[in-house]
Amino acid sequence: GQNIDQPTEMTATEGAIVQINCTYQTSGFNGLFWYQQHAGEAPTFLSYNVLDGLEEKGRFSSFLSRSKGYSYLLLKELQMKDSASYLCAVRSGNTPLVFGKGTRLSVIA
Amino acid sequence: DGGITQSPKYLFRKEGQNVTLSCEQNLNHDAMYWYRQDPGQGLRLIYYSQIVNDFQKGDIAEGYSVSREKKESFPLTVTSAQKNPTAFYLCASSISAKYQETQYFGPGTRLLVL
Repeated sequence: GQNIDQPTEMTATEGAIVQINCTYQTSGFNGLFWYQQHAGEAPTFLSYNVLDGLEEKGRFSSFLSRSKGYSYLLLKELQMKDSASYLCAVRSGNTPLVFGKGTRLSVIA
Repeated sequence: DGGITQSPKYLFRKEGQNVTLSCEQNLNHDAMYWYRQDPGQGLRLIYYSQIVNDFQKGDIAEGYSVSREKKESFPLTVTSAQKNPTAFYLCASSISAKYQETQYFGPGTRLLVL
């Protein structure tokens, strides 16, 4: 089976930088995804990593270390609209994504 | 516009009743998925389908049934055997079931038991 861990809640200040960590244990790793989910809405795709290293996309970046089973999502220049849950999901082989429980981020003024 | 639609947005179920949640996509995606989300929990996979007329059970399939008669449609039936059906149900699709493919989600249906 797979085990995916991420912090339950985080709080950060508007304009700051926040890093949301995700650790996983799986066999046949085939990619890690980050999704953003606002309350009561569907998850929306943020990023995908399958090779080690940093992927940057505007204010959001995602990092992967396959040997450590570790990823993080970095959010820069935080805005109030970034308050949401952030879901880490892992794929093994050709099976559907397995999701962590999500990290609820609160951005405060 | 291309996308995934789910209906209804809210659904109420009486005790002992079967209800069906609709999921339609016009993205020409081969693979479709149903997830359940409970408060404070991650998404848990109910069923998925990689191609028309074929589907597989996910981690929590008991009390649910699906069909995939058309590429565009993947309805989920919550049967009376599902004793705790109150949850947020999310349908997703991807181009194929291959590992590179991103899963995209519909807006969800919230099911409540009366």
